[in-house]
Amino acid sequence: NAGVTQTPKFQVLKTGQSMTLQCAQDMNHEYMSWYRQDPGMGLRLIHYSVGAGITDQGEVPNGYNVSRSTTEDFPLRLLSAAPSQTSVYFCASSYSGDQPREQYFGPGTRLTVT
Amino acid sequence: KNQVEQSPQSLIILEGKNCTLQCNYTVSPFSNLRWYKQDTGRGPVSLTIMTFSENTKSNGRYTATLDADTKQSSLHITASQLSDSASYICVVTTPTDRDDKIIFGKGTRLHILP
Repeated sequence: NAGVTQTPKFQVLKTGQSMTLQCAQDMNHEYMSWYRQDPGMGLRLIHYSVGAGITDQGEVPNGYNVSRSTTEDFPLRLLSAAPSQTSVYFCASSYSGDQPREQYFGPGTRLTVT
Repeated sequence: KNQVEQSPQSLIILEGKNCTLQCNYTVSPFSNLRWYKQDTGRGPVSLTIMTFSENTKSNGRYTATLDADTKQSSLHITASQLSDSASYICVVTTPTDRDDKIIFGKGTRLHILP
């Protein structure tokens, strides 16, 4: 199992550009989430999905879109990048049958918006 | 307000020494508490998960304790190694009407010196 994979590992964007951060998992997990991690702050939830075709907003959803067409993939789209979106982004997945539910995190994407 | 506070913010100890990291939370209702280890440039990896009825959980040289009455947890690291240098994140889960809400602490940065 590759677990949770994320691409790219690093990305530099100019203000106003759009891009998609990729996330995939091969563990057949229903739950998938996107977090951002900023210095001096805990991880904050951007969007999450409880299964294919179902997504919902987290704590800081503005400026980001998600979709979940398959169980395996959960891409995060930045519509018009802003410097405030400079951060490290983590994707995570978990199995609904676990109690408590264990989250598995990807290696992260470091995004810089200039 | 649901919060997770960790102390100290950072800690430096010599290799071979023990240390204890603290986590206080105001989250209610309580579902479970986890400790994660996050190496630099990597995603968080779960060390322990404790539910309300558990007051201690070990994972090798890592031992977590939970006092649900005082809403405090600690992570004790025994005989530290250079590879223990990382951030340690306390995470508390609370149930909501729709799904569990996960609240992250800001982490304690641990540096092990040879």
